[in-house]
Amino acid sequence: DAKTTQPNSMESNEEEPVHLPCNHSTISGTDYIHWYRQLPSQGPEYVIHGLTSNVNNRMASLAIAEDRKSSTLILHRATLRDAAVYYCILRDPRNTPLVFGKGTRLSVIA
Amino acid sequence: KAGVTQTPRYLIKTRGQQVTLSCSPISGHRSVSWYQQTPGQGLQFLFEYFSETQRNKGNFPGRFSGRQFSNSRSEMNVSTLELGDSALYLCASSWGSGTGGYGYTFGSGTRLTVV
Repeated sequence: DAKTTQPNSMESNEEEPVHLPCNHSTISGTDYIHWYRQLPSQGPEYVIHGLTSNVNNRMASLAIAEDRKSSTLILHRATLRDAAVYYCILRDPRNTPLVFGKGTRLSVIA
Repeated sequence: KAGVTQTPRYLIKTRGQQVTLSCSPISGHRSVSWYQQTPGQGLQFLFEYFSETQRNKGNFPGRFSGRQFSNSRSEMNVSTLELGDSALYLCASSWGSGTGGYGYTFGSGTRLTVV
């Protein structure tokens, strides 16, 4: 399985942008980059996913490096509700499950 | 639109018993995945079903089994419960078409405590 590397934890001030990095140097051409987050006492929540191009949705933006060996999840304006564990996952949609690593624990300071 | 529904929310069982957990996916979703979450091991993949067929299986003993029905609802069963099976069991559903990327929607989970 392709692997991702994320920092264990990050801290951000409320209302400031947050850039969550993810390295995936062994990514294959068919792997999609997925981001999920898990708020305390809840199941994981889909955030965004992409293949090659940068992606935007109402929750966040995903910036993918040109060589696809790294990506960055961007929360444009962190709120206290964004405090969660963020998981970067590679998945080949043809027939592989969604496999979670340790993720990055994001703390947001008021 | 209804989300992924897992029942029951909480369960207490005795060592050696068996348990069945249920998951109703989002309408139209054909893929259901199950995960076990513990503080020590994090989120671990159990198995994935698509159109009633097990498509992938994680590294869990045979005591853990599952199935999917024709309406895409899924159940997982754990036999001969051990204390270490105490965990939050999460179910996720998706379109599961096998092509393109798609997101998974998770339920709130079933908290199983084995005593």
